Amino acid sequence: DAKTTQPPSMDCAEGRAANLPCNHSTISGNEYVYWYRQIHSQGPQYIIHGLKNNETNEMASLIITEDRKSSTLILPHATLRDTAVYYCIVRVGSSGSARQLTFGSGTQLTVLP
Amino acid sequence: AAGVIQSPRHLIKEKRETATLKCYPIPRHDTVYWYQQGPGQDPQFLISFYEKMQSDKGSIPDRFSAQQFSDYHSELNMSSLELGDSALYFCASSPGGWVAPSYEQYFGPGTRLTVT
Repeated sequence: DAKTTQPPSMDCAEGRAANLPCNHSTISGNEYVYWYRQIHSQGPQYIIHGLKNNETNEMASLIITEDRKSSTLILPHATLRDTAVYYCIVRVGSSGSARQLTFGSGTQLTVLP
Repeated sequence: AAGVIQSPRHLIKEKRETATLKCYPIPRHDTVYWYQQGPGQDPQFLISFYEKMQSDKGSIPDRFSAQQFSDYHSELNMSSLELGDSALYFCASSPGGWVAPSYEQYFGPGTRLTVT
């Protein structure tokens, strides 16, 4: 699975958009970009994933560059409850077998009041 | 909606004792993963099961073993506990099979194991 690079920490004002970048320059054509987050000592929570098209769900938007070497997770209106460590994970999607998640260092997002 | 259930939530053991952690996946999820998260560290994959067969293996010590049962719940057995085994242990589940080429994992609340 491709390696990812994320800034170790970011701050965001409450109510503003939080844009979390991730570099994955060695991504392969069959690898997906996943985002998870972990609020302190809770189980990691799935946010969104994509292959090459931009994706949006009720939690966030995922923007993947055309060359797929980087992506940005956007939380459109950050709240204090969005304070967490955000992990960008690149992984091959698979059928019929289990594929683990490899967590890197992630980005500690702190939403400020 | 039903979530992943882990028990116990907290466990205190002494060195050289054994511990058993249990995981009940979301209904109709046939894939289970175990992760270990030490203090100040990121979660590390231990082992996974798909349709009751071991699928992938990570950095799981030989002192640990796990299995998935016919009802898809899983147990992580830990023997000869060491101080360094003190950590949060997360179980995650996902639908497997041929449903889709990509699928997210749903994590449980974790079991906090303290070895004294």
